[in-house]
Amino acid sequence: DAGVIQSPRHEVTEMGQEVTLRCKPISGHDYLFWYRQTMMRGLELLIYFNNNVPIDDSGMPEDRFSAKMPNASFSTLKIQPSEPRDSAVYFCASSGQSNQPQHFGDGTRLSIL
Amino acid sequence: AQSVTQLDSHVSVSEGTPVLLRCNYSSSYSPSLFWYVQHPNKGLQLLLKYTSAATLVKGINGFEAEFKKSETSFHLTKPSAHMSDAAEYFCVVRAPGGAQKLVFGQGTRLTINP
Repeated sequence: DAGVIQSPRHEVTEMGQEVTLRCKPISGHDYLFWYRQTMMRGLELLIYFNNNVPIDDSGMPEDRFSAKMPNASFSTLKIQPSEPRDSAVYFCASSGQSNQPQHFGDGTRLSIL
Repeated sequence: AQSVTQLDSHVSVSEGTPVLLRCNYSSSYSPSLFWYVQHPNKGLQLLLKYTSAATLVKGINGFEAEFKKSETSFHLTKPSAHMSDAAEYFCVVRAPGGAQKLVFGQGTRLTINP
């Protein structure tokens, strides 16, 4: 079975540019999560959705970050404008019913120059 | 609020010797606890989970963890380390009652010496 699929795997861009990260959750999963991983702060939850509806976005660092889930099989995380401090690995995860474990994608390594 | 503390940022063992990765948790309620493993350039993979059933939990790849409420600990062990076990390990807690937020420890990097 296909796991959580993220694209691109790597992204290098200049500051000020718009960045869009994509995620396809596991089919049938109701929850989708976006995380950011850095050496300094470890793994942080940015936002999560239930049945395509954002439930908790308290981890989104600022207005430059936005996330959408237009349907059950696709989500995007957008940064506009990007800044060097946004450089990190961004993970998407999905899970089924509540109390089920989260399954992670392989991440997008983002470098903002 | 829930939190986890991984007591060692780096553990180094020889191949074939036991592995012990330590984790203490803090929770006002009976928590759900997990161990995840992250290999280089990969996402996190679930090793095992505790959800208030048996206190000794067996996971994949020969790992197991014991929930000790009196010590607020959930240490991860493996009897015999393999080279492929070299990775970053995360202890994770989730609030009860259907809450979906996970709180991650800072991670323990496990190195296996030949």
